[in-house]
Amino acid sequence: QKEVEQNSGPLSVPEGAIASLNCTYSDRGSQSFFWYRQYSGKSPELIMSIYSNGDKEDGRFTAQLNKASQYVSLLIRDSQPSDSATYLCAVSSNYQLIWGAGTKLIIKP
Amino acid sequence: EAGVAQSPRYKIIEKRQSVAFWCNPISGHATLYWYQQILGQGPKLLIQFQNNGVVDDSQLPKDRFSAERLKGVDSTLKIQPAKLEDSAVYLCASSQILNTGELFFGEGSRLTVL
Repeated sequence: QKEVEQNSGPLSVPEGAIASLNCTYSDRGSQSFFWYRQYSGKSPELIMSIYSNGDKEDGRFTAQLNKASQYVSLLIRDSQPSDSATYLCAVSSNYQLIWGAGTKLIIKP
Repeated sequence: EAGVAQSPRYKIIEKRQSVAFWCNPISGHATLYWYQQILGQGPKLLIQFQNNGVVDDSQLPKDRFSAERLKGVDSTLKIQPAKLEDSAVYLCASSQILNTGELFFGEGSRLTVL
């Protein structure tokens, strides 16, 4: 059974600080990794994709991938109240997209 | 560019009744997905189409759920008869290519079964 694990939270972070969200996956053969943001009552929205080991930066967001340790993380710098949402990790494994249950992030002003 | 369109946004039915959801993907997107999302969980794939062919329906409860995408564009998901545990948000998504994790979601259809 292929799995993607995330801490459900809530993760509470002060405004302006760095929020760190983590995700582990079970299938060592996974090749593609995605972070989606889902506001309460809304649908998921893709914010980052990463395909190779290392860091990928896009504005205030940085995705980090470590295939040897089978984890992927998302860092949000200068966190804003508008970043408060649930963050879903999705991993592409053998042509299937496996989803985590999400981490709820709360940014406190 | 218009996004993924879904309707209805909300539906309340009694158990054992039927319901249908409609989805129109982003223009040119050949791959269409129906997901079920229960509160506090990640999306669960029900069915994936490539044009009008089914790629994956392994998690679709076929005794009560059906879906079609007859002309390779819009799609309908039907539940008949509905059970209490079908209460969820039904998300339609589309993508430009097959076997990608870069999906575009519609606003979802929230179903409540009483």
